[in-house]
Amino acid sequence: GAGVSQSPSNKVTEKGKDVELRCDPISGHTALYWYRQSLGQGLEFLIYFQGNSAPDKSGLPSDRFSAERTGGSVSTLTIQRTQQEDSAVYLCASSLSGYDYGYTFGSGTRLTVV
Amino acid sequence: DQQVKQNSPSLSVQEGRISILNCDYTNSMFDYFLWYKKYPAEGPTFLISISSIKDKNEDGRFTVFLNKSAKHLSLHIVPSQPGDSAVYFCAASVPGGKLIFGQGTELSVKP
Repeated sequence: GAGVSQSPSNKVTEKGKDVELRCDPISGHTALYWYRQSLGQGLEFLIYFQGNSAPDKSGLPSDRFSAERTGGSVSTLTIQRTQQEDSAVYLCASSLSGYDYGYTFGSGTRLTVV
Repeated sequence: DQQVKQNSPSLSVQEGRISILNCDYTNSMFDYFLWYKKYPAEGPTFLISISSIKDKNEDGRFTVFLNKSAKHLSLHIVPSQPGDSAVYFCAASVPGGKLIFGQGTELSVKP
């Protein structure tokens, strides 16, 4: 597609449930990033995939968070046993390579944990 | 620790005047700096960037200034327009690394 696509756009879940967030990057972009923006906060880095290299998971806040990128394209961010503090907008971005900083962001998934 | 800081959460300016958004960083290894703009319910979009080998980069109404000795960068918008009202994030990176973003500054340009 022409841009980065994220689904769902909104997700309301009960505390303790697992959620999966999906990101379709721009075709041909080898680098993919997940960030989140909590209410009143900046963009917090979560995880970074670059080609076939091992992902940089240094931003994942706990072991309840995991992400995978299949076939170098689509990525799924999974949050297990969701907590209220997980409520945020989760943003995915892609770029041509790890040295291309002109990221293209998706519109995000707004996650609300009740 | 917050490696990229935007200490002003909001800024209000009159249409036609200059908007100056500021950003400070702590990591001297950062070699590339960018500004992103974000409208509500949309993802951030790239606005302008600057390499650490430069001290100024200009693109139309937007100019970014970098002061490496002070570890400070700023974005100037002149003249400001109501359509510039958005949240502005500064970001920085080490070579080949991911972008580290600041907390954002919400700019409001009043007609």
